[in-house]
Amino acid sequence: EVQLVESGGGLVKPGGSLRLSCAASGFTFSSYSMNWVRQAPGKGLEWVSSISSSSSYIYYADSVKGRFTISRDNAKNSLYLQMNSLRAEDTAVYYCARDVAATPGHDYWGQGTLVTVSS
Amino acid sequence: DIQMTQSPSSVSASVGDRVTITCQASQGISSWLAWYQQKPGKAPKLLIYAASSLQSGVPSRFSGSGSGTDFTLTISSLQPEDFATYYCQQANSFPLTFGGGTKVEIK
Repeated sequence: EVQLVESGGGLVKPGGSLRLSCAASGFTFSSYSMNWVRQAPGKGLEWVSSISSSSSYIYYADSVKGRFTISRDNAKNSLYLQMNSLRAEDTAVYYCARDVAATPGHDYWGQGTLVTVSS
Repeated sequence: DIQMTQSPSSVSASVGDRVTITCQASQGISSWLAWYQQKPGKAPKLLIYAASSLQSGVPSRFSGSGSGTDFTLTISSLQPEDFATYYCQQANSFPLTFGGGTKVEIK
């Protein structure tokens, strides 16, 4: 059974840092591109970042470029999101999501982890 | 960036109704479109990928159509478990972008 489990969320002050993790199981993690998608309270979905299976290709939303860093460790079946210089507008539930192979769409999602940026 | 415009933003419907949601891309995206369903407090669920392909395990009352800039998600006969918010997403180019969402409510 495919499982994605996020962790690392919490309350952080503006300007602070946080590292999110996503533990994957039930599939060959190293074969899939992965993504982070966030959802601010009461708002819609916002794509944050994507990383290819071998980390060769990495993309970011303009809203987080230069502040967030996506990475993965295929030996540990884990995806990460290092978030620096956090702002109030980064407050959201952060989901990790797996790409459908070679087609558009994210077929498996984690349960999400809440990040709250507030003084 | 490619903008995705969904309409309507909300719709009230009854069980058994046919519901249609549209999504328009600001430029052509071929069939690089996915549809998701999200219920309160839950992660999104993939319904349709590549504009018209039904994700495994999704009921056949859901269907998707379109290519280029105009896309449609249709629920042929609304069921109680279908009351949720629906999002389209383009995956033609980065940054990936979602539509604003359509909330399907009970009439």
